[in-house]
Amino acid sequence: DAGVTQSPTHLIKTRGQHVTLRCSPISGHKSVSWYQQVLGQGPQFIFQYYEKEERGRGNFPDRFSARQFPNYSSELNVNALLLGDSALYLCASSLVWDREAFFGQGTRLTVV
Amino acid sequence: KQEVTQIPAALSVPEGENLVLNCSFTDSAIYNLQWFRQDPGKGLTSLLLIQSSQREQTSGRLNASLDKSSGRSTLYIAASQPGDSATYLCAVTGNTGKLIFGQGTTLQVKP
Repeated sequence: DAGVTQSPTHLIKTRGQHVTLRCSPISGHKSVSWYQQVLGQGPQFIFQYYEKEERGRGNFPDRFSARQFPNYSSELNVNALLLGDSALYLCASSLVWDREAFFGQGTRLTVV
Repeated sequence: KQEVTQIPAALSVPEGENLVLNCSFTDSAIYNLQWFRQDPGKGLTSLLLIQSSQREQTSGRLNASLDKSSGRSTLYIAASQPGDSATYLCAVTGNTGKLIFGQGTTLQVKP
């Protein structure tokens, strides 16, 4: 059974550009969450979606947005990229919102 | 506001040693606590999940305990191996469903 898959694995963007990151949860999982991890820090919560509805949002600017599709996959969009957005972006899925979370391998975003 | 702290930030031990990693949290109203392993540049691998009603969980050479009243959890690794070298993260989940992480403990096991 496939785990959480994220695409792409690496991405280089220029300041001011837009980026879309994708996540496919484990089959049967209805909750998807996004986290940002900068070097040397623990992951920080960005968004949680459950049954296609936004269930929570972290302390990130409006340049960050996300959605969950009918098949429970999810996209994270970041507009007007800043150098400080360079990080590892992690997607996690769980059966329901308060159960064990399983993470993908992450997308390494570099903004130059 | 929930805060999670992990001490020490880094740890180096010789192969074969038993070791304990510590995690503390400020708000005892948690649903569960999860321990993860992260290899450099990679995603997180779930090691153990402890529900708020449980005191400990075991998986192979790993044992995690939870004391909600004191806001503490420990991850015990028995007979450490070089392959255990990684960063270990603990995270708590409250009623919002989001995971709140500590900064991690980077473990090096020397052959």
